[in-house]
Amino acid sequence: LAKTTQPISMDSYEGQEVNITCSHNNIATNDYITWYQQFPSQGPRFIIQGYKTKVTNEVASLFIPADRKSSTLSLPRVSLSDTAVYYCLVGDRGSYIPTFGRGTSLIVHP
Amino acid sequence: DVKVTQSSRYLVKRTGEKVFLECVQDMDHENMFWYRQDPGLGLRLIYFSYDVKMKEKGDIPEGYSVSREKKERFSLILESASTNQTSMYLCASTRGGRPHAGEQFFGPGTRLTVL
Repeated sequence: LAKTTQPISMDSYEGQEVNITCSHNNIATNDYITWYQQFPSQGPRFIIQGYKTKVTNEVASLFIPADRKSSTLSLPRVSLSDTAVYYCLVGDRGSYIPTFGRGTSLIVHP
Repeated sequence: DVKVTQSSRYLVKRTGEKVFLECVQDMDHENMFWYRQDPGLGLRLIYFSYDVKMKEKGDIPEGYSVSREKKERFSLILESASTNQTSMYLCASTRGGRPHAGEQFFGPGTRLTVL
């Protein structure tokens, strides 16, 4: 199964840029990398998705190196409301079963 | 507004009971998923379905079964609930194609406690 590894937790302060990296050593060829955000008592929600190089939308950027064995979610100028758990999702090579990481708990301090 | 709904937010059952968790989506999505979420373990896939009456095992199918008789509805069944199945259960759906590739829309979750 595709194994994804993320830091368990991170701390930041309002206004800072936060980068969360996910390692995915067995990602399926031609597979996308997707990141989700989850607040307490809610289901995860989609943030951003990419295949290679860099993707940017109104809330985040996603950086994917050429070997695609990792990806970095970048949150610019975080606020208190960005406190949440962030998950990366990839498909397993061969089966394409979606595999979530264990999530990174981000706490943003005033 | 797209929506995935789950039959209960909180559920308490006794060991050995048969438990049904239901999920309904209104987006005409082909793929539907059941996950369980436990502290420190993230989301783990139990089963998914890519079409009516079709199902595939995920990472942790033991002790669970599923049913998809209609496109919009995906049920998770615990034939004989056990205390180690106490968890948060999340349903999700995506449009057709590779199961992992599309944006997954999640329901609010059902917190199941088995006594």
